[in-house]
Amino acid sequence: IAGITQAPTSQILAAGRRMTLRCTQDMRHNAMYWYRQDLGLGLRLIHYSNTAGTTGKGEVPDGYSVSRANTDDFPLTLASAVPSQTSVYFCASSASDSGDTQYFGPGTRLTVL
Amino acid sequence: AQSVTQPDIHITVSEGASLELRCNYSYGATPYLFWYVQSPGQGLQLLLKYFSGDTLVQGIKGFEAEFKRSQSSFNLRKPSVHWSDAAEYFCAVGAVTGGGNKLTFGTGTQLKVEL
Repeated sequence: IAGITQAPTSQILAAGRRMTLRCTQDMRHNAMYWYRQDLGLGLRLIHYSNTAGTTGKGEVPDGYSVSRANTDDFPLTLASAVPSQTSVYFCASSASDSGDTQYFGPGTRLTVL
Repeated sequence: AQSVTQPDIHITVSEGASLELRCNYSYGATPYLFWYVQSPGQGLQLLLKYFSGDTLVQGIKGFEAEFKRSQSSFNLRKPSVHWSDAAEYFCAVGAVTGGGNKLTFGTGTQLKVEL
């Protein structure tokens, strides 16, 4: 059982470039989430999806977009990367959007130069 | 909006000593509370959670936490720390709203274990 996989593991990106971080879960969870982790700030929610076909904005959504075409995949796109988006990005999922435990992927370390 | 405070950025304990990591939350209703652990270069692993019922919650790896509504706290404890417990620990509060299940994390406590 893989749980949640994220790709790439790490990436160095030039400012202004477009980048999509991939997230796939095999638990058939309805809800999925994207967080960024920055030193001293903990994890902050970027976007979430309660079920396939729906998405919502979290605490820090600017500069990011998501889509949820099916249950398993929840890609995060940076349309035009900026250095302040240098961070570690975690994808998570939960069985429902009603208080269930969120399970996290291994993360993607992104550096924008 | 909910918030979480972990007042200790770093804590150092000797192996075999007891541990308590502090967590205070702010939320208008009964919260869902979680403790996660993150080893270097890894994702977050759930240690334990409180949804309702018994306010003393047991988790994995010998950890426990107690929900105290009057103090808005959910402190994590372990009676005897092992060197492998060195990691970063995050407290989180969950709110189920019309917008779904959202977690707000504290800034984390880095635990160092001295042998």
